[in-house]
Amino acid sequence: GAVVSQHPSRVICKSGTSVKIECRSLDFQATTMFWYRQFPKQSLMLMATSNEGSKATYEQGVEKDKFLINHASLTLSTLTVTSAHPEDSSFYICSARETGDRSPLHFGNGTRLTVT
Amino acid sequence: AQSVTQLGSHVSVSEGALVLLRCNYSSSVPPYLFWYVQYPNQGLQLLLKYTTGATLVKGINGFEAEFKKSETSFHLTKPSAHMSDAAEYFCAVIFNDYKLSFGAGTTVTVRA
Repeated sequence: GAVVSQHPSRVICKSGTSVKIECRSLDFQATTMFWYRQFPKQSLMLMATSNEGSKATYEQGVEKDKFLINHASLTLSTLTVTSAHPEDSSFYICSARETGDRSPLHFGNGTRLTVT
Repeated sequence: AQSVTQLGSHVSVSEGALVLLRCNYSSSVPPYLFWYVQYPNQGLQLLLKYTTGATLVKGINGFEAEFKKSETSFHLTKPSAHMSDAAEYFCAVIFNDYKLSFGAGTTVTVRA
């Protein structure tokens, strides 16, 4: 089946630094990838839709300058948390869709970000 | 407004007992429906999906779900719970905007 690889699985960084998270579709091409954020004991919140070769579409309330998304190829999207602060600590999950707008999403294993 | 609702944030069952997780949606047109499972500190794994066709859908790990249009429901069941079923379960829906919307999630605990 379709596999999405997300790296790193855990990262601890100091306040003010930037962190990059990678999301790769291993055995399929994904023109669209999605980035979610999940707070403890809560559901997933869609942050942005990443489109290959174009600018990402951000959901309302998500700071585009804070969460930089790059989708440079059909198999790789990156999320960079810039100037991280403790309130950015969260679980970030990427997902990718196979062909067809209504096909299911395949999810990476998530990245636990802790900002100290 | 389009929405997806999971009834019950926490379900506790005995090992070997029936697992029933409820999901209802609100939409004027039939959406595409999914159930995902999440283990601690991991991403989501697709259990099953309904798009068109047969309304009773079988998924992995012995789970199945039935789409009932008249009740706007897509409840997830498993006849006999196993300890390994303890996890967080999310009902998800694609409405006509092609984005995946998640329910709030249901935590399943399995008692020995």
